[in-house]
Amino acid sequence: NAGVTQTPKFQVLKTGQSMTLQCAQDMNHEYMSWYRQDPGMGLRLIHYSVGAGITDQGEVPNGYNVSRSTTEDFPLRLLSAAPSQTSVYFCASSYRTGDTEAFFGQGTRLTVV
Amino acid sequence: GENVEQHPSTLSVQEGDSAVIKCTYSDSASNYFPWYKQELGKRPQLIIDIRSNVGEKKDQRIAVTLNKTAKHFSLHITETQPEDSAVYFCAATSNTGKLIFGQGTTLQVKP
Repeated sequence: NAGVTQTPKFQVLKTGQSMTLQCAQDMNHEYMSWYRQDPGMGLRLIHYSVGAGITDQGEVPNGYNVSRSTTEDFPLRLLSAAPSQTSVYFCASSYRTGDTEAFFGQGTRLTVV
Repeated sequence: GENVEQHPSTLSVQEGDSAVIKCTYSDSASNYFPWYKQELGKRPQLIIDIRSNVGEKKDQRIAVTLNKTAKHFSLHITETQPEDSAVYFCAATSNTGKLIFGQGTTLQVKP
Protein backbone atom coordinates (compact mmCIF):
# COMPACT_ATOMS: atom_id res chain seq x y z
CA ASN A 1 0.00 0.00 0.00
CA ALA A 2 1.99 3.00 -1.29
CA GLY A 3 -0.52 5.73 -0.30
CA VAL A 4 -0.18 8.89 -2.41
CA THR A 5 2.71 8.91 -4.88
CA GLN A 6 3.90 12.04 -6.65
CA THR A 7 6.45 12.27 -9.43
CA PRO A 8 8.87 13.86 -9.99
CA LYS A 9 10.31 15.02 -6.63
CA PHE A 10 12.31 17.84 -8.22
CA GLN A 11 11.97 19.64 -11.53
CA VAL A 12 13.55 22.66 -13.19
CA LEU A 13 11.70 24.23 -16.12
CA LYS A 14 12.42 27.10 -18.43
CA THR A 15 9.83 29.84 -18.79
CA GLY A 16 7.25 28.81 -21.36
CA GLN A 17 7.80 25.08 -21.08
CA SER A 18 4.94 22.75 -20.21
CA MET A 19 4.95 19.72 -17.98
CA THR A 20 2.73 17.33 -16.06
CA LEU A 21 3.06 16.53 -12.37
CA GLN A 22 1.85 13.02 -11.71
CA CYS A 23 -0.22 11.92 -8.69
CA ALA A 24 -1.52 8.44 -7.98
CA GLN A 25 -3.20 6.89 -4.96
CA ASP A 26 -3.97 3.26 -4.23
CA MET A 27 -6.47 3.74 -1.39
CA ASN A 28 -9.60 3.96 -3.57
CA HIS A 29 -10.15 7.54 -2.40
CA GLU A 30 -12.84 9.55 -4.14
CA TYR A 31 -11.46 12.99 -3.31
CA MET A 32 -8.16 14.27 -4.71
CA SER A 33 -6.65 17.72 -4.75
CA TRP A 34 -3.57 19.76 -5.65
CA TYR A 35 -1.99 22.44 -3.48
CA ARG A 36 0.97 24.74 -3.83
CA GLN A 37 3.01 25.78 -0.81
CA ASP A 38 4.82 29.10 -0.74
CA PRO A 39 6.56 30.68 2.28
CA GLY A 40 4.12 32.57 4.49
CA MET A 41 1.12 31.64 2.34
CA GLY A 42 0.27 28.18 3.58
CA LEU A 43 -1.22 25.56 1.33
CA ARG A 44 -3.32 27.04 -1.44
CA LEU A 45 -5.82 24.88 -3.31
CA ILE A 46 -5.26 24.77 -7.08
CA HIS A 47 -7.82 22.23 -8.32
CA TYR A 48 -9.75 19.39 -6.77
CA SER A 49 -11.86 16.39 -7.80
CA VAL A 50 -14.70 14.67 -5.97
CA GLY A 51 -14.60 11.63 -8.24
CA ALA A 52 -13.59 10.30 -11.63
CA GLY A 53 -14.71 12.64 -14.40
CA ILE A 54 -15.39 15.55 -12.01
CA THR A 55 -12.98 18.43 -11.39
CA ASP A 56 -13.34 21.96 -10.08
CA GLN A 57 -11.24 25.04 -9.46
CA GLY A 58 -9.70 25.95 -6.14
CA GLU A 59 -8.23 29.25 -4.92
CA VAL A 60 -5.42 29.63 -7.48
CA PRO A 61 -6.31 27.72 -10.68
CA ASN A 62 -4.87 30.03 -13.33
CA GLY A 63 -2.08 28.46 -15.40
CA TYR A 64 -2.95 24.91 -14.38
CA ASN A 65 -5.15 22.18 -15.85
CA VAL A 66 -6.31 18.90 -14.39
CA SER A 67 -8.27 15.84 -15.44
CA ARG A 68 -9.53 12.78 -13.57
CA SER A 69 -10.09 9.89 -15.95
CA THR A 70 -9.61 7.22 -13.26
CA THR A 71 -10.12 7.07 -9.49
CA GLU A 72 -6.39 6.48 -8.96
CA ASP A 73 -4.78 9.28 -10.98
CA PHE A 74 -5.00 13.07 -10.85
CA PRO A 75 -2.30 14.75 -12.98
CA LEU A 76 -1.61 18.48 -12.84
CA ARG A 77 -0.55 20.20 -16.06
CA LEU A 78 1.37 23.44 -16.30
CA LEU A 79 0.52 24.86 -19.71
CA SER A 80 3.26 27.51 -20.06
CA ALA A 81 5.49 27.70 -16.99
CA ALA A 82 6.17 31.09 -15.41
CA PRO A 83 8.62 32.05 -12.61
CA SER A 84 5.58 32.76 -10.39
CA GLN A 85 4.82 29.02 -10.49
CA THR A 86 8.05 28.23 -8.65
CA SER A 87 6.75 26.42 -5.57
CA VAL A 88 6.37 23.11 -3.77
CA TYR A 89 3.36 21.18 -5.04
CA PHE A 90 1.45 18.65 -2.96
CA CYS A 91 -1.16 16.20 -4.11
CA ALA A 92 -3.62 14.92 -1.49
CA SER A 93 -6.42 12.38 -1.35
CA SER A 94 -9.16 11.49 1.11
CA TYR A 95 -11.84 8.84 1.35
CA ARG A 96 -14.67 11.18 0.50
CA THR A 97 -15.45 14.81 -0.17
CA GLY A 98 -12.94 16.79 1.84
CA ASP A 99 -14.32 15.87 5.25
CA THR A 100 -12.07 12.95 6.12
CA GLU A 101 -8.32 12.80 6.70
CA ALA A 102 -6.34 14.03 3.72
CA PHE A 103 -3.20 12.02 2.91
CA PHE A 104 -0.46 13.95 1.16
CA GLY A 105 2.14 12.90 -1.36
CA GLN A 106 5.81 13.67 -0.70
CA GLY A 107 5.71 16.86 -2.73
CA THR A 108 7.32 18.16 -5.93
CA ARG A 109 9.75 21.06 -5.76
CA LEU A 110 9.40 23.00 -9.02
CA THR A 111 11.71 25.80 -10.10
CA VAL A 112 10.91 27.87 -13.17
CA VAL A 113 13.84 29.89 -14.52
CA GLY B 1 -15.37 32.59 -1.18
CA GLU B 2 -14.06 30.45 1.62
CA ASN B 3 -11.20 31.89 3.68
CA VAL B 4 -9.24 30.68 6.72
CA GLU B 5 -7.09 33.07 8.74
CA GLN B 6 -4.47 31.68 11.12
CA HIS B 7 -2.52 33.41 13.90
CA PRO B 8 0.21 33.80 14.95
CA SER B 9 2.53 33.16 12.01
CA THR B 10 5.39 32.29 14.39
CA LEU B 11 5.33 31.14 18.00
CA SER B 12 8.27 30.48 20.30
CA VAL B 13 7.79 28.79 23.69
CA GLN B 14 9.94 27.19 26.34
CA GLU B 15 9.85 23.44 26.69
CA GLY B 16 7.02 22.49 29.04
CA ASP B 17 4.95 25.59 28.32
CA SER B 18 1.64 25.56 26.43
CA ALA B 19 1.12 26.76 22.88
CA VAL B 20 -2.12 28.06 21.36
CA ILE B 21 -2.81 28.64 17.67
CA LYS B 22 -6.02 30.30 16.54
CA CYS B 23 -7.97 30.19 13.27
CA THR B 24 -11.08 31.87 11.94
CA TYR B 25 -13.14 30.82 8.94
CA SER B 26 -15.57 32.66 6.70
CA ASP B 27 -17.90 29.97 5.32
CA SER B 28 -20.71 29.35 7.82
CA ALA B 29 -21.40 26.01 6.08
CA SER B 30 -17.98 24.66 7.13
CA ASN B 31 -18.39 21.45 9.10
CA TYR B 32 -14.96 19.81 9.40
CA PHE B 33 -11.84 21.37 10.89
CA PRO B 34 -8.58 19.40 10.74
CA TRP B 35 -5.11 20.37 11.98
CA TYR B 36 -1.93 19.28 10.20
CA LYS B 37 1.68 19.21 11.33
CA GLN B 38 4.50 19.58 8.82
CA GLU B 39 8.07 18.87 9.87
CA LEU B 40 10.90 20.41 7.87
CA GLY B 41 11.11 18.87 4.40
CA LYS B 42 8.21 16.50 5.05
CA ARG B 43 4.60 16.27 3.95
CA PRO B 44 1.74 17.58 6.16
CA GLN B 45 0.17 14.97 8.42
CA LEU B 46 -3.11 15.07 10.32
CA ILE B 47 -2.73 15.42 14.09
CA ILE B 48 -6.31 16.07 15.21
CA ASP B 49 -9.66 17.08 13.74
CA ILE B 50 -13.05 18.22 14.96
CA ARG B 51 -16.51 18.24 13.43
CA SER B 52 -19.10 20.98 13.74
CA ASN B 53 -21.31 19.06 16.17
CA VAL B 54 -18.52 18.91 18.77
CA GLY B 55 -17.14 21.78 20.85
CA GLU B 56 -13.89 20.25 22.06
CA LYS B 57 -11.70 17.23 21.39
CA LYS B 58 -8.57 16.04 23.19
CA ASP B 59 -5.84 13.57 22.31
CA GLN B 60 -3.15 13.33 24.98
CA ARG B 61 -1.30 16.69 24.96
CA ILE B 62 -3.28 18.11 22.04
CA ALA B 63 -6.76 19.62 22.14
CA VAL B 64 -8.91 21.52 19.69
CA THR B 65 -11.84 23.79 20.51
CA LEU B 66 -14.53 25.07 18.14
CA ASN B 67 -16.83 28.06 18.49
CA LYS B 68 -19.29 27.91 15.59
CA THR B 69 -21.06 31.10 16.56
CA ALA B 70 -17.85 33.11 16.36
CA LYS B 71 -16.50 30.96 13.51
CA HIS B 72 -13.18 30.26 15.14
CA PHE B 73 -11.28 27.21 16.33
CA SER B 74 -8.02 26.75 18.22
CA LEU B 75 -5.25 24.21 18.74
CA HIS B 76 -3.83 23.79 22.22
CA ILE B 77 -0.60 21.92 22.90
CA THR B 78 0.31 21.38 26.54
CA GLU B 79 3.69 20.39 28.03
CA THR B 80 5.45 21.20 24.77
CA GLN B 81 8.51 19.19 23.78
CA PRO B 82 11.28 19.96 21.24
CA GLU B 83 9.78 17.41 18.85
CA ASP B 84 6.64 19.56 18.69
CA SER B 85 8.68 22.11 16.70
CA ALA B 86 7.13 22.23 13.22
CA VAL B 87 4.72 24.18 11.04
CA TYR B 88 1.07 23.73 11.99
CA PHE B 89 -1.83 24.31 9.59
CA CYS B 90 -5.51 24.64 10.35
CA ALA B 91 -8.08 23.94 7.64
CA ALA B 92 -11.83 24.06 7.08
CA THR B 93 -14.18 22.44 4.63
CA SER B 94 -17.85 22.31 3.82
CA ASN B 95 -19.95 20.07 1.61
CA THR B 96 -18.58 21.88 -1.46
CA GLY B 97 -15.51 19.70 -1.10
CA LYS B 98 -12.92 22.45 -0.90
CA LEU B 99 -10.41 21.92 1.92
CA ILE B 100 -9.01 25.39 2.59
CA PHE B 101 -5.90 25.87 4.73
CA GLY B 102 -4.71 28.71 6.89
CA GLN B 103 -1.33 30.36 6.34
CA GLY B 104 0.51 28.20 8.86
CA THR B 105 2.20 28.75 12.24
CA THR B 106 5.87 27.98 12.78
CA LEU B 107 6.20 26.67 16.34
CA GLN B 108 9.62 26.63 17.96
CA VAL B 109 10.01 24.85 21.29
CA LYS B 110 13.22 25.88 23.02
CA PRO B 111 14.87 23.29 25.30
